[in-house]
Amino acid sequence: DVKVTQSSRYLVKRTGEKVFLECVQDMDHENMFWYRQDPGLGLRLIYFSYDVKMKEKGDIPEGYSVSREKKERFSLILESASTNQTSMYLCASSLNRGRGNTIYFGEGSWLTVV
Amino acid sequence: RKEVEQDPGPFNVPEGATVAFNCTYSNSASQSFFWYRQDCRKEPKLLMSVYSSGNEDGRFTAQLNRASQYISLLIRDSKLSDSATYLCVVNPGGQNFVFGPGTRLSVLP
Repeated sequence: DVKVTQSSRYLVKRTGEKVFLECVQDMDHENMFWYRQDPGLGLRLIYFSYDVKMKEKGDIPEGYSVSREKKERFSLILESASTNQTSMYLCASSLNRGRGNTIYFGEGSWLTVV
Repeated sequence: RKEVEQDPGPFNVPEGATVAFNCTYSNSASQSFFWYRQDCRKEPKLLMSVYSSGNEDGRFTAQLNRASQYISLLIRDSKLSDSATYLCVVNPGGQNFVFGPGTRLSVLP
């Protein structure tokens, strides 16, 4: 089975703190994604990466950055956390095989910024 | 128009009922289609892929109509455990995925 692991499940951070969310996948997938999910807004793509050291902005990249130094690991960074970044963050991965690829999610990281 | 739209729901149905969800997509070049299930405060999980010829998995049947650009999910003999939010997901080509807002289903005893 595909395994996407988000190491931090529940975090509480103060406004202005730097926050790291880590994600690791064990299926040698090329593509990795970070989403946030808020009630009534659905899943929104923050960033994605299709290869090591490559990244692409999603729909809502402002206030976030990412790092992909190894194929299996994709980190989301909040440089200076703000209360409007309180959300559930979902990491995902998929194969880069074009048609028919599916996306697999981690269990999510619940971040509260106070 | 949003890229992927779904019935807003919620759907409240009794156990044993048949329920159908619809989803429309705007990009006619879209190549892959999926239904995901998401339980409250959990991650989305793949329920089934949707193929052009339609496909069935037990009580679940998915249909794709490329001409009208819609996808459907039919659940027969609903169980309490089917209560969840169902997400329509489209791959418009390339490496990205577009998610619908989801339709919430509550199966009532």
